Amino acid sequence: QQQVKQSPQSLIVQKGGISIINCAYENTAFDYFPWYQQFPGKGPALLIAIRPDVSEKKEGRFTISFNKSAKQFSLHIMDSQPGDSATYFCAASESDYKLSFGAGTTVTVRA
Amino acid sequence: DGGITQSPKYLFRKEGQNVTLSCEQNLNHDAMYWYRQDPGQGLRLIYYSQIVNDFQKGDIAEGYSVSREKKESFPLTVTSAQKNPTAFYLCASSIVSSGYYGYTFGSGTRLTVV
Repeated sequence: QQQVKQSPQSLIVQKGGISIINCAYENTAFDYFPWYQQFPGKGPALLIAIRPDVSEKKEGRFTISFNKSAKQFSLHIMDSQPGDSATYFCAASESDYKLSFGAGTTVTVRA
Repeated sequence: DGGITQSPKYLFRKEGQNVTLSCEQNLNHDAMYWYRQDPGQGLRLIYYSQIVNDFQKGDIAEGYSVSREKKESFPLTVTSAQKNPTAFYLCASSIVSSGYYGYTFGSGTRLTVV
């Protein structure tokens, strides 16, 4: 049973548009929420992460929004570029260093 | 350069055969993990180890075994008891310290049953 539910499974966005990926969780003990980016045939790489004491974190064109009461968090990719085409995974951990991953979202950015 | 090396990149297994996937890290990380990736299912935890000579089962440990004899190495054996082993296997490592859970992943091993 997946502890982190991720949607959508895939999305297509035009170059310059905004990509939005949503994740939801039930375990209130989770205290670390990272996002990973994976290109075909490669391992995932840490993109950005947030803790529940803040509601938003921005790094360049990537922003995490966190809603603790709703137990939801999302990744926004602003000004999407073809090089952003990849699979994105949300994840969560509860201080035991094990990450539980969402099912992944394949993002395709059309030029 | 520091990182995680997984080998081989591609591996073919015959029915009833055990195979071992290698994972080596030179990041001086304490914890190491094995994940299995299947299309549409994300990453599922097989085994993890936070210190040498100690490891714990993850969510899908049946049919797999591991060892952690050295801090740098965490090999995964896919046994004949694993009935559906075809998948992409990812090894990761992390520092074990309060407040930092960032994983570094290897490039993966794609295992196919022939």
